[in-house]
Amino acid sequence: QVQLQESGPGLVKPSQTLSLTCSVSGGSINSDNDYWNWVRQHPGKGLEWIGYIHHSGSSYYNPSLKSQTIISVDKSKNQFSLKLRSLTAADTAVYYCARGGGLGPLDSWGQGTLVTVSS
Amino acid sequence: QSALTQPASVSGSPGQSITISCTGTSTDVGSHDLVSWYQQHPGKAPKLIIFEVNKRPSGVSNLFSGSKSGNTASLTISGLQAEDEAHYYCCSYAGGSTFVFGGGTKLTVL
Repeated sequence: QVQLQESGPGLVKPSQTLSLTCSVSGGSINSDNDYWNWVRQHPGKGLEWIGYIHHSGSSYYNPSLKSQTIISVDKSKNQFSLKLRSLTAADTAVYYCARGGGLGPLDSWGQGTLVTVSS
Repeated sequence: QSALTQPASVSGSPGQSITISCTGTSTDVGSHDLVSWYQQHPGKAPKLIIFEVNKRPSGVSNLFSGSKSGNTASLTISGLQAEDEAHYYCCSYAGGSTFVFGGGTKLTVL
């Protein structure tokens, strides 16, 4: 059973870049069938898909976030990462990493990590 | 890419059935049989309960079922139980290797 765990800072200043890492255990990030996703949830609000990456390096992003988002994969560490730049208070959210197939669905999720953007 | 439309809240009594709708467009829900549903309890990560419109992952109760007609997908929960009280989110493939979620529905078991 694959498990995912997010890590990163809980507090980031406005205009800075958020860097989060998702560690994958119980499975390989090199699986051809798996795509590695980031999803966020603003406080008290719904889910928002951010993007995903395949171990081959192919990545796809939510069009509304594409300009500020980079998702990368580190096969040697069995991890993938999210970088979100030019942060504002509107980026305050719980960030989840999740595993999915190329066309969904997201069948394994991390526990989520709260990121607050504040000076 | 706009969020799929779900009712903000639904409610039902134990043992009853409820249905949650998820309305999209001809470019997402209407174009692909790639709608999934997630259950989220407070403070927890979402859990996949339906994928590809009407398929259940192993271990998910058969009291959960899904369907789709045109641009609208639906989740039905039969035989409501107290533990079904949660938020429910639909998600659809939206083309171009992108996905879109619904705004979420809070289910209250009376």
